[in-house]
Amino acid sequence: NAGVTQTPKFRVLKTGQSMTLLCAQDMNHEYMYWYRQDPGMGLRLIHYSVGEGTTAKGEVPDGYNVSRLKKQNFLLGLESAAPSQTSVYFCASSYPTPTYEQYFGPGTRLTVT
Amino acid sequence: DAKTTQPPSMDCAEGRAANLPCNHSTISGNEYVYWYRQIHSQGPQYIIHGLKNNETNEMASLIITEDRKSSTLILPHATLRDTAVYYCIVRAGNTGKLIFGQGTTLQVKP
Repeated sequence: NAGVTQTPKFRVLKTGQSMTLLCAQDMNHEYMYWYRQDPGMGLRLIHYSVGEGTTAKGEVPDGYNVSRLKKQNFLLGLESAAPSQTSVYFCASSYPTPTYEQYFGPGTRLTVT
Repeated sequence: DAKTTQPPSMDCAEGRAANLPCNHSTISGNEYVYWYRQIHSQGPQYIIHGLKNNETNEMASLIITEDRKSSTLILPHATLRDTAVYYCIVRAGNTGKLIFGQGTTLQVKP
């Protein structure tokens, strides 16, 4: 099992450019999440999904869009990148069980100049 | 979801028990207490969770007070590899959403 993987690991964008971050999990998890982590801060939830074809907003959804077309993949899009979106992005997944243990990916470090 | 309060940093000697406190005075009856940790800049790692009773697994023990307003994570024999940021999170609901605070930076010293 690869667990949760994220692509790419690093990316530098210019202001106004767009990109998509890919999260993939091979654990057959129903739930998937996107977080961002700014320096010295805890993680903040951007969007999440409780199943294929469904998405919902988290704490800080502005400037991001997501899609969950396949159960194993959760995509995070930045339509017009801004320097404020410079951050480390983590994806996670979990079963819909009472424990809700989340498994995290290794992160994508994004810099917007 | 209830808010949590943790000390920003703690030190612990290698081989000693590390006791990390967490206050969650507004916790509701159906909210679980979760602990995660983040080593360097890696993705967070699940440690343990509990509702009312004390819990123990291969990594740690979780002690929850009877009124559930606070809890303590115990790493029984801390090693240098336990140096990390530890997050205490309380969560309810069916979506699995976790609200992270700033956590406690635990420094294990030789």
